Amino acid sequence: DAGITQSPRYKITETGRQVTLMCHQTWSHSYMFWYRQDLGHGLRLIYYSAAADITDKGEVPDGYVVSRSKTENFPLTLESATRSQTSVYFCASSRTGQGFYEQYFGPGTRLTVT
Amino acid sequence: EDQVTQSPEALRLQEGESSSLNCSYTVSGLRGLFWYRQDPGKGPEFLFTLYSAGEEKEKERLKATLTKKESFLHITAPKPEDSATYLCAVQPNILTGGGNKLTFGTGTQLKVEL
Repeated sequence: DAGITQSPRYKITETGRQVTLMCHQTWSHSYMFWYRQDLGHGLRLIYYSAAADITDKGEVPDGYVVSRSKTENFPLTLESATRSQTSVYFCASSRTGQGFYEQYFGPGTRLTVT
Repeated sequence: EDQVTQSPEALRLQEGESSSLNCSYTVSGLRGLFWYRQDPGKGPEFLFTLYSAGEEKEKERLKATLTKKESFLHITAPKPEDSATYLCAVQPNILTGGGNKLTFGTGTQLKVEL
């Protein structure tokens, strides 16, 4: 049971470069989320997706692009990386339906922009 | 705007010394309140969901309670392996347009010493 995985786990890139962070889940969860975690700010939602081909902005979407062509994958792209995007990025997923469903998180990607 | 405030920011306990962590929240209709545990270098791990005031959930040495304004995470006779950052998050009522999104607090960093 692989659950939710992220790749790469660590990434160093230069300002202005495009970077894509990958997220894959094996539960067939409808919802997927991208967060960034910074000291003093906690976890902040970047983008989320309710299903394949349905995405919406979260609290801090500027500078990021997402897509979701398949239910199990939700890549996050930084089109032109900036130093302020140095952070730890977490992907999460959850079921949907009549109940109240918790989110399950991946192990994170630590991104450094130099 | 939904807000979550956790206190204290950091807590140091001796093994066996019980205490409580606080999570105060403001949300336009609460759908659920979630507690997560996060170990260094890892993604948050789901602990509890609370839905209505007066509800309590327990897991080993942890007990979570909920009122209309705050939630407490009680830790009874803690052990060093309980050392982690504990995160609280709220999910607004779906009727207010919140969907499955969570708003997180910045966490309480717990250290349990021998």
